[in-house]
Amino acid sequence: AQRVTQPEKLLSVFKGAPVELKCNYSYSGSPELFWYVQYSRQRLQLLLRHISRESIKGFTADLNKGETSFHLKKPFAQEEDSAMYYCALLYNFNKFYFGSGTKLNVKP
Amino acid sequence: DAGVIQSPRHEVTEMGQEVTLRCKPISGHDYLFWYRQTMMRGLELLIYFNNNVPIDDSGMPEDRFSAKMPNASFSTLKIQPSEPRDSAVYFCASSRDRAYQPQHFGDGTRLSIL
Repeated sequence: AQRVTQPEKLLSVFKGAPVELKCNYSYSGSPELFWYVQYSRQRLQLLLRHISRESIKGFTADLNKGETSFHLKKPFAQEEDSAMYYCALLYNFNKFYFGSGTKLNVKP
Repeated sequence: DAGVIQSPRHEVTEMGQEVTLRCKPISGHDYLFWYRQTMMRGLELLIYFNNNVPIDDSGMPEDRFSAKMPNASFSTLKIQPSEPRDSAVYFCASSRDRAYQPQHFGDGTRLSIL
């Protein structure tokens, strides 16, 4: 069965510090993974997807099939990065399985 | 573009009452998804539609839950009868073509069953 685990409910870092939000998945098929973000008083929205190999707002995420991980990283956190982050796995072509989310708090 | 529109934003009702949540997807989006978010279980997919047809409702928790999409611009999620454990935030999302296109979420409906 598919599963997405985000072990940290809350992650606090200081502005300018590196940040890594962990995501591990379990899936027998070929995984397609995404990060979604919800800023305060805004809607849940796509941040990035692994197939695009893109950097959005300074964030990157690399799919590591050996470790079944898709950690989200940013070298220098900004206060505006404070938000709720969800890792999501696409399975059975059209279904998303979301992790429980990690709240990132960037302190000034 | 107002994006995905959900109504109501908040609903408080007593146990046993019927609850109807509404969603208007983004025009031109072929897929519509209903999710439920709780502290215990996070964000769970309940059901999704493609071109107004329900494709997978395996996430619907019980027969008390039902969803319809009578046309491309409107969907409902109904709970009858409602129970306190149904209290959650319910999200609607839509996407174009295939699910791996960005899903656009609504603001959600915060449902409280007393």
